[in-house]
Amino acid sequence: KAGVTQTPRYLIKTRGQQVTLSCSPISGHRSVSWYQQTPGQGLQFLFEYFSETQRNKGNFPGRFSGRQFSNSRSEMNVSTLELGDSALYLCASSSQRQPYEQYFGPGTRLTVT
Amino acid sequence: EDQVTQSPEALRLQEGESSSLNCSYTVSGLRGLFWYRQDPGKGPEFLFTLYSAGEEKEKERLKATLTKKESFLHITAPKPEDSATYLCAGGGSQGNLIFGKGTKLSVKP
Repeated sequence: KAGVTQTPRYLIKTRGQQVTLSCSPISGHRSVSWYQQTPGQGLQFLFEYFSETQRNKGNFPGRFSGRQFSNSRSEMNVSTLELGDSALYLCASSSQRQPYEQYFGPGTRLTVT
Repeated sequence: EDQVTQSPEALRLQEGESSSLNCSYTVSGLRGLFWYRQDPGKGPEFLFTLYSAGEEKEKERLKATLTKKESFLHITAPKPEDSATYLCAGGGSQGNLIFGKGTKLSVKP
């Protein structure tokens, strides 16, 4: 079974711009979660989507948003980028049977200059 | 507030020198305790799930155990390829994983 894939792997953006990241879950997984990983804060939960609906949301500002499509693929968007948004953004998918057993993609490394 | 704390932050071992990593948690309504391994520049790789105090899981040189307040990842006779950051996470009531900041393990030959 193919794992979770994320595109692009690397991005460099300028403050004030916006960015869209993409995630394709493991086949058959309908839940997709997004996390931000930084050296100082570690892995922090952004939001979770299931069947095209946002089911849970972490404590991030409204500049961070996401969506999920009918094929379970997900995108997250960050608007008005700030220097502090530089991080590794990780996507994870899980099955209905084991919703907490999350399998991660390789991440997208976002650098904001 | 839900919290997961890992210690030590970094651990250097000689090849063959066994040790343990600690993960203490306060997660309301814990839905499982999860261990991951993360190599530099990669996403976390799932290792174990533990659900009940007293439960143990093993994989090669790794064994994870769970009590009501802590989990331990025991590494027996480690090899250099075991070098990585090991992450512990608790399953929270909102469907998310609450991660500790990890233990960076270095195993020298």
